[in-house]
This record gives sequence, C-alpha cells and structure tokens, in this order.
Amino acid sequence: AQSVAQPEDQVNVAEGNPLTVKCTYSVSGNPYLFWYVQYPNRGLQFLLKYITGDNLVKGSYGFEAEFNKSQTSFHLKKPSALVSDSALYFCAVRANHSGYALNFGKGTSLLVTP
Amino acid sequence: NAGVMQNPRHLVRRRGQEARLRCSPMKGHSHVYWYRQLPEEGLKFMVYLQKENIIDESGMPKERFSAEFPKEGPSILRIQQVVRGDSAAYFCASSPETFYEQYFGPGTRLTVT
Repeated sequence: AQSVAQPEDQVNVAEGNPLTVKCTYSVSGNPYLFWYVQYPNRGLQFLLKYITGDNLVKGSYGFEAEFNKSQTSFHLKKPSALVSDSALYFCAVRANHSGYALNFGKGTSLLVTP
Repeated sequence: NAGVMQNPRHLVRRRGQEARLRCSPMKGHSHVYWYRQLPEEGLKFMVYLQKENIIDESGMPKERFSAEFPKEGPSILRIQQVVRGDSAAYFCASSPETFYEQYFGPGTRLTVT
C-alpha cells in the first residue's frame, strides 16, 4: 500500500523567512512524488515532481523539494516566503510500477504573515 | 491552451436526485481521473478513464456511482439517488500520458440537501 503523511496541519511563517512543509511517504518500489497547491475554492495547481535524477527538484513560484530516500521524505521548501504563498499544500505519491492514482496527504495549511 | 474545465462549479441536489458532473480535459490529454475531496480531508482517487474505457475504478463506491469518457464530448461522473454523504468537492484531472503529472480542474462542489 502507498501512503503519504503530512505531519503538520498548519505552518506559520513570517514574510521573507524560509519555509518548509513536511511530507513523508510509504511505497513499495521507487516513488513518483508530487506537490500541489490549492487556493480557496480553486482546483489544485501542480508545483513540482520527483521521478528520478537529482534529489533536489525545482518547481513553480520559487518552490523546491528535496527527495530523501533514506528518510522517505519529500519536504517542500522556499528560501523566502511571500504572503501570496498562503494556501493549502498537498503532497502526493504514486508507486512507479502500479496503479494510476495519486495518493494525497491531508494537506498542510501555510499562513505567511506580513 | 485552456486548462481542465469542469461544470457546473456548484450543484445543489435534493436527496434521491441524480447528479451529473462534467469534465473536459486539457487539449491533447486523453487520460482523465476523478477525485473526491471531503471536508477536512485530502483528495481520494475514484476512477481513471481513457477514451471509451474505464481503466481503474478501484476508488469508486460500488453502488450509485458511474463514470464514462465517450469518444466525443466530456467525461461524466454520475451519482444516482444522492445522499447527504455525497456532499463534497469533486475534482477532475487530466494528463497526456499515464505517468505524467496530472492537471486539475476547478472542481464541482456538490451539496445534497
């Protein structure tokens, strides 16, 4: 079975400070990992993905994520947060050899204060 | 290039009625996925379709729910005899190939009264 855990329901950070949104996963085989962002009453927007290759993945809007196989983690990071980054962030995983569904975490609400 | 389109954006149905949710994938995308988001929860996979074929419906409830993706026209998620527990946001996603990232529509928010 594949699963994703986002241990923090909410992350608060001041504008200009670095931010981290945590994600750990469980999957048999090599994972495909994704981050999405959801603004209120909107659909999910794709931020970035890890399939293979470099462990540090760069995505949209200045976000990046680091794949750590030994810790089974894929934390989302940004060096300098913006107020407009405030939204709901979802981590998702799919095993590369089975199924088509993305398994999503419960989401982490990010609040960036001025 | 227009994104994934879903309609209606909001749908209100009384218990026992039918709900039909429509999804038009992005241009060039032939893979469609439906997910459901219940309040305070993440998205849960329901069904994966290609044109005229249901590939994986392992997340679909066994009764009252069905999905199709005809050769022409949008994908349809159909819920018969809706109950209050069906109230949720239903998202459609599409991808050009199976293992690419999925692009999501704005969702249909179904309210059952």
